[in-house]
Amino acid sequence: SQQGEEDPQALSIQEGENATMNCSYKTSINNLQWYRQNSGRGLVHLILIRSNEREKHSGRLRVTLDTSKKSSSLLITASRAADTASYFCATDAGLTGGGNKLTFGTGTQLKVEL
Amino acid sequence: DTGVSQDPRHKITKRGQNVTFRCDPISEHNRLYWYRQTLGQGPEFLTYFQNEAQLEKSRLLSDRFSAERPKGSFSTLEIQRTEQGDSAMYLCASSLGETGANVLTFGAGSRLTVL
Repeated sequence: SQQGEEDPQALSIQEGENATMNCSYKTSINNLQWYRQNSGRGLVHLILIRSNEREKHSGRLRVTLDTSKKSSSLLITASRAADTASYFCATDAGLTGGGNKLTFGTGTQLKVEL
Repeated sequence: DTGVSQDPRHKITKRGQNVTFRCDPISEHNRLYWYRQTLGQGPEFLTYFQNEAQLEKSRLLSDRFSAERPKGSFSTLEIQRTEQGDSAMYLCASSLGETGANVLTFGAGSRLTVL
């Protein structure tokens, strides 16, 4: 089952613009992660934010987390054509033995045009 | 070791046949995960190993599915008597068993098409 829902489902912007995508989830979490997936390939980890953090930055990425609203947002600044991909949020509620059962949302398809 | 390897990348089979996928995780990672992804959806958790022990299985993993990690290194995912609904991308991921939050490294996936 999918816990998170991303919004919008698809986003098309011009190179140099900022892209914002949102994620809502349903249950308590240990942390929330964002992954990127290029067409037909595996997922690549982008950034992780813990439940006790509100904002985190990594390069052109900015993630916010509001646990009271069970929502997160990913901002990509100064987008590039190479940022074209699907972006997924994934919530971590923990597993037996301390592993991660990441539950993924349905994703946002971002297209950055030249 | 350049990452998580999956084989084959693409498998086309007829309904009713058995298929097996292999995953070679990053060598120092003791945790290994299998996910399934259908078109337009996010990955769905199937199962998880810590070393050779299979610690959790999803309800999605019917009795036609079996996963093993015999020596705590590579893993196999076998689907018996395949059905058209099994058509999907099967993703393997691994992580280092540290306390706290872990980041998963995914392979490129094995795409299954059941005719």
